[in-house]
Amino acid sequence: AAGVIQSPRHLIKEKRETATLKCYPIPRHDTVYWYQQGPGQDPQFLISFYEKMQSDKGSIPDRFSAQQFSDYHSELNMSSLELGDSALYFCASSRDITEAFFGQGTRLTVV
Amino acid sequence: GIQVEQSPPDLILQEGANSTLRCNFSDSVNNLQWFHQNPWGQLINLFYIPSGTKQNGRLSATTVATERYSLLYISSSQTTDSGVYFCAVLRTGTASKLTFGTGTRLQVTL
Repeated sequence: AAGVIQSPRHLIKEKRETATLKCYPIPRHDTVYWYQQGPGQDPQFLISFYEKMQSDKGSIPDRFSAQQFSDYHSELNMSSLELGDSALYFCASSRDITEAFFGQGTRLTVV
Repeated sequence: GIQVEQSPPDLILQEGANSTLRCNFSDSVNNLQWFHQNPWGQLINLFYIPSGTKQNGRLSATTVATERYSLLYISSSQTTDSGVYFCAVLRTGTASKLTFGTGTRLQVTL
């Protein structure tokens, strides 16, 4: 069965650089979620999209932006990276506000 | 926002033991899921259980939505059960904000 695909799996960036994370949801899923998980912490909600429109917003820094494209894939853009942005970033998708499935995550390291 | 608390925060078991993990939430929910995060960081779906009881092999879960809690039972634990267990809820009236609990870190030893 198709799963949520995230790319890249690992990313190393320097401070003040920009990063773009990509997410390909499960086909026919209408909702995409983005989460950030720091070491030893629970996943924190960043932002979600329903049918390509922003649906809900969490504690997402102003330096971050996200969008969902016509083919339903989503991108999380992160600018002016800081050391504290180092984390595991998850994307998830669901259909009709039912069970959400998560990708394998992108591990971002800012040096 | 909704508060989701899990207990215990940490648990050490010997292989073969049984355990019960609890998830309490502060508001009514439409959805509730249990996940296992393995040592490689993957979030694996265990149960989608807004209400009622489900079983899958050695695992079972019960959600009593009216009393705002859910339980995850692990029987005959194995070392591969080690990792962090999260519950996550979708508060009633919100469209797409799945809120995670604080997690239970489980270590199963030989």
